[in-house]
Amino acid sequence: GAGVSQSPRYKVAKRGQDVALRCDPISGHVSLFWYQQALGQGPEFLTYFQNEAQLDKSGLPSDRFFAERPEGSVSTLKIQRTQQEDSAVYLCASSLGTSGTYNEQFFGPGTRLTVL
Amino acid sequence: QKEVEQNSGPLSVPEGAIASLNCTYSDRGSQSFFWYRQYSGKSPELIMFIYSNGDKEDGRFTAQLNKASQYVSLLIRDSQPSDSATYLCAVPGGSYIPTFGRGTSLIVHP
Repeated sequence: GAGVSQSPRYKVAKRGQDVALRCDPISGHVSLFWYQQALGQGPEFLTYFQNEAQLDKSGLPSDRFFAERPEGSVSTLKIQRTQQEDSAVYLCASSLGTSGTYNEQFFGPGTRLTVL
Repeated sequence: QKEVEQNSGPLSVPEGAIASLNCTYSDRGSQSFFWYRQYSGKSPELIMFIYSNGDKEDGRFTAQLNKASQYVSLLIRDSQPSDSATYLCAVPGGSYIPTFGRGTSLIVHP
C-alpha cells in the first residue's frame, strides 16, 4: 500500500482479555516503531525493530506487552491480560533506514484501544 | 531521562497572525529536532526538521534552534484555520529514537 496501515482501527476489550494489534509498514522500510499515545499526551516509545530484529524494547511498560516482526515486514503488538491503564492509541511508524541515521518516520492511523 | 517540554496550550491566534510554538529539551547532546503536526484523531506527520543553530524556513513555517539555551521553536506565519492542530516537538536521542513532547494545541480562529 501507499502508507502504513494498522488494524483494527478500534478495539474494545474487557479487562483481562488478550489483544493483538497489527501494523503493515511501507514496503521496503527497514525500521518499525511502536508508540503508545494517551489522550492529551505525545507518543511514548514502546519498541523498535530493524528488519526482524527487536533492537530496543525499553519502552514496553510491563511483561504483558510483547511485539514481534518475524519476517521483517508486518508487526504485531500483543497485550496480555489487558488493564484499564492500557487504554490508549497505539501508533506504528516505519522509516526507510536504520536508527543509525534519523530517517523520517511515517505513522499509521493508529489503533484506539479501550479496556472496560 | 531525556525530557522534551512543551506548553500544552491551547494557543489561540486570529487568522493571519503569527503563531509561535516553543519546545525545550534536556539532552545537550541532541543534534536534530523535529516538528510534527497532528490533527485531532489523526496520526502525526512531519512538517519540519532542523539540525543547525539559527532559522530554517519552509513556506509559512520557520523553525528556530538555539542549542545553547536548549530550545527549538516553530513559527507559523499567516496562520490559517486549517493550521489548527496539535504540534509535537520530537528530539532523537543517542539511538536516534525520538522523544516526543506532549504537544501544543493551536487554534486559529477566523
